[in-house]
Amino acid sequence: AAGVIQSPRHLIKEKRETATLKCYPIPRHDTVYWYQQGPGQDPQFLISFYEKMQSDKGSIPDRFSAQQFSDYHSELNMSSLELGDSALYFCASSSSTALAKNIQYFGAGTRLSVL
Amino acid sequence: GQNIDQPTEMTATEGAIVQINCTYQTSGFNGLFWYQQHAGEAPTFLSYNVLDGLEEKGRFSSFLSRSKGYSYLLLKELQMKDSASYLCAVSGDSDNYGQNFVFGPGTRLSVLP
Repeated sequence: AAGVIQSPRHLIKEKRETATLKCYPIPRHDTVYWYQQGPGQDPQFLISFYEKMQSDKGSIPDRFSAQQFSDYHSELNMSSLELGDSALYFCASSSSTALAKNIQYFGAGTRLSVL
Repeated sequence: GQNIDQPTEMTATEGAIVQINCTYQTSGFNGLFWYQQHAGEAPTFLSYNVLDGLEEKGRFSSFLSRSKGYSYLLLKELQMKDSASYLCAVSGDSDNYGQNFVFGPGTRLSVLP
């Protein structure tokens, strides 16, 4: 079965640069979530989108923005990168109409290293 | 908001049974989820409870008591590959129309031969 696809898998950037992470949800999933996970920490919720509109906002810095497009894929844009932004970034998707809705399925993640 | 608590680390022996507890306090409740995460990999969905009781799924079972704000994940016939972090996550009320989904700190399970 198709899973959540994230790209790129690895990304190396320098301080003050920008980065764009992409997420393609499971087909027919209408909700996308972004998480940041630092070493040894649990995933921290950043932001979510339902039907292309922002549905919830967590601890996302003002330097970051995200959107969901008409084909339901989502992009997380990160500007003025800082060393502390180095982390694993996960995207997850869920379906609001599935029998077991709200179950989030995660992509493999993008490992961002800021040098 | 949500507050979730789990033991930090647990150790068990191959073939044994282990129970990982999770306590939570939430604003509203839309479900409790258990995920398994190996280091550097994505969390993998294990189980979901929205009503009180036990949900069994092969070697994994999860229990929920909403009145006590308590859940546990039971792993039977432990295998070496079960060594991982186990994350309890709760979906509660959101200020917006989305769900407020919060992960607990995770329990790092080590399975010894």
